[in-house]
Amino acid sequence: EIVLTQSPGTLSLSPGERATLSCRASQIVAGKYLAWYQQKPGQAPRLLIYGASNRTTGIPDRFSGSGSATDFALTISRLEPEDFAVYYCQQYGDSLFTFGPGTKVDIK
Amino acid sequence: QVQLQESGPGLVKPSGILSLTCDVAGVSISGTNWWSWVRQTPGKGLEWIGEIYHTGSTNFNPSLKSRVTISIDKSKNQFFLKLSSVTAADTAMYYCAREFSGGHSFEYWGQGTLVTVSS
Repeated sequence: EIVLTQSPGTLSLSPGERATLSCRASQIVAGKYLAWYQQKPGQAPRLLIYGASNRTTGIPDRFSGSGSATDFALTISRLEPEDFAVYYCQQYGDSLFTFGPGTKVDIK
Repeated sequence: QVQLQESGPGLVKPSGILSLTCDVAGVSISGTNWWSWVRQTPGKGLEWIGEIYHTGSTNFNPSLKSRVTISIDKSKNQFFLKLSSVTAADTAMYYCAREFSGGHSFEYWGQGTLVTVSS
């Protein structure tokens, strides 16, 4: 099973700042099988990025994904008030989906 | 647009069977997408349970495989989850989701239903 580790656990930033979230895998992940989600309290996760770097329809271009193999990143170029949430990475490999533990982006 | 809605008992007794239904609206369940169940707990985070295709083909998380059944009713545009021999560790928010055609992620989610295992 591929284990995903996310860092930092919490990121405290101000609106307008840049956020960089890390997702590291215990084994190589096929690039097109790495996704990022945003989750707000009381809501289901929302798919932001698939295939490591492709934004889903309707996702603002301030969100970008990058990386390959075992190291991936989600960058939010300028935080808007609605971006403060928990972010999860997810991979698919060996017929199994796994998620990272999440990074909480909160207001400084 | 695509909408998913989970339903089922919110309370299940230990050693019992957890049964949930996912109603799908806005798209045929017989299309080219796989349909999944995912659960979330404060302790273990998000955990994929398993998936089904409209042909009835299924795949499961090995950690739950022995206790999970996922089935589908194409005539009603629904799919189902049964989890047997439940314990308090199965207390979670359960989501149904449609997988993204572009590559093994979850594009559409239901709002989730909280299931508590307790006597």
